Amino acid sequence: DQQVKQNSPSLSVQEGRISILNCDYTNSMFDYFLWYKKYPAEGPTFLISISSIKDKNEDGRFTVFLNKSAKHLSLHIVPSQPGDSAVYFCAASDYGSGNTGKLIFGQGTTLQVKP
Amino acid sequence: EPEVTQTPSHQVTQMGQEVILRCVPISNHLYFYWYRQILGQKVEFLVSFYNNEISEKSEIFDDQFSVERPDGSNFTLKIRSTKLEDSAMYFCASSEDSGNTEAFFGQGTRLTVV
Repeated sequence: DQQVKQNSPSLSVQEGRISILNCDYTNSMFDYFLWYKKYPAEGPTFLISISSIKDKNEDGRFTVFLNKSAKHLSLHIVPSQPGDSAVYFCAASDYGSGNTGKLIFGQGTTLQVKP
Repeated sequence: EPEVTQTPSHQVTQMGQEVILRCVPISNHLYFYWYRQILGQKVEFLVSFYNNEISEKSEIFDDQFSVERPDGSNFTLKIRSTKLEDSAMYFCASSEDSGNTEAFFGQGTRLTVV
């Protein structure tokens, strides 16, 4: 049941450059999307979110873009820093149905930012 | 900054034994969750809990699993008879609301069943 997919298991970028992490989803009922960052042996840490009524949300170096027609979202990190090296998870929720707060996660993308 | 705390950080148990994983959610949050991540796999939803009852559970959350909020602060996950395949990182999370708000995760409990 791959409702949320992150097709790139890993990404390597140079410090200062842009990192673009991608996520696709299949469930058109999803109406809220989140990005989490995870370091080894720690829990996921919330980064940024976007509601389906928007197509862009920005928070400092992090911007999330949502393309509902393509069922695709992306996380842009500009400029990338070595401390950004972690696993990034895309997550989605269908708050309109049942409203339980359940999140569906993608498989994660490991980002390495090289100094 | 308020955070979700989980204990223990690592639990080793023998197959067939019962384990209880403990969590203290953020104090003003009303929605509580358990997720797990088997090594190398995605984070999977187990159960959501609101108003002292389960609001949704996944197919993973079978009769061997149960959750409880025994007092005003703790939220526990019990596995009655552990199997080898229960070995995973278990994450507790909480949120203020269930709609359009982020869930905050604890640091996880690594459960190893031997």
